[in-house]
Formats: sequence, C-alpha cells, structure tokens
Amino acid sequence: QSALTQPPSVSGSPGQSVTISCTGTSSDLGIYNRVSWYQQPPGTAPKLIIYEVSTRPSGVPERFSGSKSGNTASLTISGLQTEDEADYYCGSYTRSNTLGVFGGGTRVTVL
Amino acid sequence: EVQLVESGGGLVQPGGSLRLSCAASGFTVSDNYMSWVRQAPGKGLECVSAISGGGNTYYGDSVQGRFIISRQNSKNTLYLQMDGLRPEDTAVYYCARGGMMDSRTYAFDYWGQGTLVTVSS
Repeated sequence: QSALTQPPSVSGSPGQSVTISCTGTSSDLGIYNRVSWYQQPPGTAPKLIIYEVSTRPSGVPERFSGSKSGNTASLTISGLQTEDEADYYCGSYTRSNTLGVFGGGTRVTVL
Repeated sequence: EVQLVESGGGLVQPGGSLRLSCAASGFTVSDNYMSWVRQAPGKGLECVSAISGGGNTYYGDSVQGRFIISRQNSKNTLYLQMDGLRPEDTAVYYCARGGMMDSRTYAFDYWGQGTLVTVSS
C-alpha cells in the first residue's frame, strides 16, 4: 500500500481536461510544498513534469499544471493529447521517511 | 546534456549479489544528490537509497543492511551494491539525479533508462 493515494485511472477525450488527485497526510502534503509529479509512458523511464507543487521544468508543456490544498495535491492536464497517455505518479517529502514517498500511480487514457 | 546510463542488472539466485552502475554525463555526480529508485513489475515507484553531495547515505527499511550506495568521482559514476538479494527485490532499478530531500527541487529531475534485476532460483 502506497503512502500517497491516487485514483487507479482517469480518462478523457482529446482536448478535454483531466485532473489526478494525490492524497497524503499531515506528515507530508499537509505541511510541505514538496510535491512532484512524474509521467511514465509504457515501457519508458519516469520523467519529471512538476516539482514544488506547481513548477514546470523547462520543456514541459503549459497544459500540465499542479496545485495543492490541505493534504491533497492535484495534477491537471488541459487540452488532453494522445501522447499524454501514460502512468502518472505523485511524490512528496515526508517526515516519516527520509527518502520520500510516492503514490500508487494513475493510468491516463485518451479515449 | 544530462545523461544517466545504468548497467549491471541480470538474473541472480536468492541470497546472491549484484552491483549496479550508473554512468553520468553533463553534470558532476559528487556535486549532486543522487538516488536509486526501483519499480517492481506492474507496480509503482520506490526510492531505496540516496547519497547527498556531502556523502551522507540513506536507505529504505526494505534494503537497510543489504544494499550499499557509493560513487566514484573519477568516473563520475554512481553504484548500488546489492547483497542478500530476495525475490521481492525483483524490479527495474533506475538511477536518478536529485531526491525528495534535495533542496534544489525536492524531486528526481533526471532518470536513466533503468536496468532489470531478477531474483529467482
């Protein structure tokens, strides 16, 4: 069982928006703005797409955005594209584990 | 351009050992926080070990006492020595720059392609 909770799957049609939630506790998301998101297309390595809640690394499209409220972080993909089909993982610094924790992952399907 | 290239994975019997390597280019390993993150088949991500720029090492409970992380500055390479391997250690092992304790980003900002470790008799 992962320390952060994500829905197993979300789906949307091209051009739509989808939001993935990531729920933690008062030991991680509740007190730290150290949330990151990773995109992992099938058979490839993860790629960082959001760090520190809402910052996009250079080269990541603006349609990816992050936010946080209380113990829950969210990743929104606006204007969904077929190449966005992938697994998405959230991660966070936590008081209880020096190495941090990940969510269980969410499969995004473009219909 | 930042690149991370892992090697050293393979099939090993329970109780055996393997040493993974991660050759880095485009940056200096010893100036950065570096991590090993694994992914069991069909499962999620788990950071199992990390080393800070200052040389402090960190291990997850599942590998403490069995795995050792190290680096060789002259080769700009990160290593993971894995002893006492168990079937539950079967996973793709990724080398990554950064970590959730790394104050630059609190994230893993570059990843290698991964190397598969299979522990089975």
